[in-house]
Amino acid sequence: NAGVMQNPRHLVRRRGQEARLRCSPMKGHSHVYWYRQLPEEGLKFMVYLQKENIIDESGMPKERFSAEFPKEGPSILRIQQVVRGDSAAYFCASSSPPETQYFGPGTRLLVL
Amino acid sequence: DAKTTQPTSMDCAEGRAANLPCNHSTISGNEYVYWYRQIHSQGPQYIIHGLKNNETNEMASLIITEDRKSSTLILPHATLRDTAVYYCNTLLTFGNEKLTFGTGTRLTIIP
Repeated sequence: NAGVMQNPRHLVRRRGQEARLRCSPMKGHSHVYWYRQLPEEGLKFMVYLQKENIIDESGMPKERFSAEFPKEGPSILRIQQVVRGDSAAYFCASSSPPETQYFGPGTRLLVL
Repeated sequence: DAKTTQPTSMDCAEGRAANLPCNHSTISGNEYVYWYRQIHSQGPQYIIHGLKNNETNEMASLIITEDRKSSTLILPHATLRDTAVYYCNTLLTFGNEKLTFGTGTRLTIIP
């Protein structure tokens, strides 16, 4: 029973490039969440999605960030025109309510 | 979500029980208490949750006071692999609400 999968595990981008992070939820889970952890800080909620719907994006920066969870395939967190402040660990979690959320191993993004 | 407070750090000897306290004095009657931990920089790991009764699973026990204003997570026989940051918080429902992570308690297991 595979857990939540994220790829890539490490991603290096230069300022101005695009970063695309992928998350495959656990089998049978249709709810996906993205969290960000800046260096030496706690995790902060970004966005909550169900298949083809964004349920709560209250934690998403207003510009450059977008997320999707298509009918088929993984959820994608996209960061356009990355800046150094985007360097962080990005974690995805999935759930099948009312069960709790299970987290993936994260993607470490480094912006040079 | 109710606000929680936890000690910043704790040490525990290997093989002993680790007792991690959490205060949630403003918790509402239908909010759950939940615990996650983060080992080094891995993804957070779910530990346990409860509403009113004490709960136990293969990882830990959760003791909730009768007035529900505080709780204690117990790792019965701590090992070095239990060194992690432990997060306590409250939530109305599971699976369809965002989780909130405060600063947590950094637990260090001493050999």
